[in-house]
Amino acid sequence: GAGVSQSPSNKVTEKGKDVELRCDPISGHTALYWYRQSLGQGLEFLIYFQGNSAPDKSGLPSDRFSAERTGGSVSTLTIQRTQQEDSAVYLCASSLREEEAFFGQGTRLTVV
Amino acid sequence: RKEVEQDPGPFNVPEGATVAFNCTYSNSASQSFFWYRQDCRKEPKLLMSVYSSGNEDGRFTAQLNRASQYISLLIRDSKLSDSATYLCVVDYTGTASKLTFGTGTRLQVTL
Repeated sequence: GAGVSQSPSNKVTEKGKDVELRCDPISGHTALYWYRQSLGQGLEFLIYFQGNSAPDKSGLPSDRFSAERTGGSVSTLTIQRTQQEDSAVYLCASSLREEEAFFGQGTRLTVV
Repeated sequence: RKEVEQDPGPFNVPEGATVAFNCTYSNSASQSFFWYRQDCRKEPKLLMSVYSSGNEDGRFTAQLNRASQYISLLIRDSKLSDSATYLCVVDYTGTASKLTFGTGTRLQVTL
């Protein structure tokens, strides 16, 4: 596709439910990042994939969060047993190695 | 020390003013540097790359100081439309493979 695509654009879920957020990176981009951003706050790094290397999971806030990247392309961020503090915009970005990163428009997650 | 550190602001400046932001980074081996802009409720977008020799794009000038490990962004003749959050991005690992984003500096340009 022309850019990074994220789905859904908005997700409202009940506390305790699991959610899956999807990211389609730009074709050929080897690096993929997940960030989250709470209202009025900066980007919070979650996880980074680079090619076939083991992902950098150092930003995942708890074991309720996990992410996969299948075939070096599409990535899914899963949040289990969602809590209200998980409410945020989840942003995905992709890049070639040392080049600029392109962001998707994000998924706005609201946990009620 | 944080990997990438920025003053969160906000910087409130009148239209026409010149404003500068600095960003410090901790890994001296870092090779790639960028400034991104994020408008309210939008995703970040590349504003400009930062080259060793410094570079300019219209009213925007970016500079790199390797010795002191910081990059800067200078905005001249500020416009209302420049109001946004400016994110500093550094290739933290030094292997040109992982970009690390600062938390951003908020700029508000007023009449």
